Amino acid sequence: KQEVTQIPAALSVPEGENLVLNCSFTDSAIYNLQWFRQDPGKGLTSLLLIQSSQREQTSGRLNASLDKSSGRSTLYIAASQPGDSATYLCAVPNQAGTALIFGKGTTLSVSS
Amino acid sequence: SQTIHQWPATLVQPVGSPLSLECTVEGTSNPNLYWYRQAAGRGLQLLFYSVGIGQISSEVPQNLSASRPQDRQFILSSKKLLLSDSGFYLCAWSPLRTGLTRLVGEQYFGPGTRLTVT
Repeated sequence: KQEVTQIPAALSVPEGENLVLNCSFTDSAIYNLQWFRQDPGKGLTSLLLIQSSQREQTSGRLNASLDKSSGRSTLYIAASQPGDSATYLCAVPNQAGTALIFGKGTTLSVSS
Repeated sequence: SQTIHQWPATLVQPVGSPLSLECTVEGTSNPNLYWYRQAAGRGLQLLFYSVGIGQISSEVPQNLSASRPQDRQFILSSKKLLLSDSGFYLCAWSPLRTGLTRLVGEQYFGPGTRLTVT
């Protein structure tokens, strides 16, 4: 059964710092991996989707990498800003490919 | 462009009362539709998914049910709410995939409904 783990559960950094969020999954046979952002009391916003054939995806200050063989993905945020404060979730499709399995998220706080 | 709506935004209901949450998607056809629940400290849990009208799959045994009366409408219901049903309910859609494998692809979420059962 696929399990997704995110470390750390919470992270506090000063503005301007570069940071890395980690995601690991137990079954490496995934089709893709998706990173989401969730603001308090809000729905999820998709940030990046990495297909299994890709090693990384970039969007602005965000860069996500995928290493299927080791069952890991990282989300790199460059030059963090207070507006980046949110919970970041990673997710992979279940074995049937019918829905996503989510990690519990990393709650990021960026102080000015 | 596609948009997804959920209502109500917040709901407070007593134990034993019925529930109906609605989700609608605009700007796409034949989407896969999903209901998730997010409870404190437990992460996102898939409750139901649907690949077409009247086609509902349940992931977790519970006192909740789902229906898809129209292509872009997904409803979550309960006849009698429990305290444990409290949580943040999220509806999501993804493009329908066909072929040998069903790939979820990118998933888009609604704004959610905060349900408190008292």
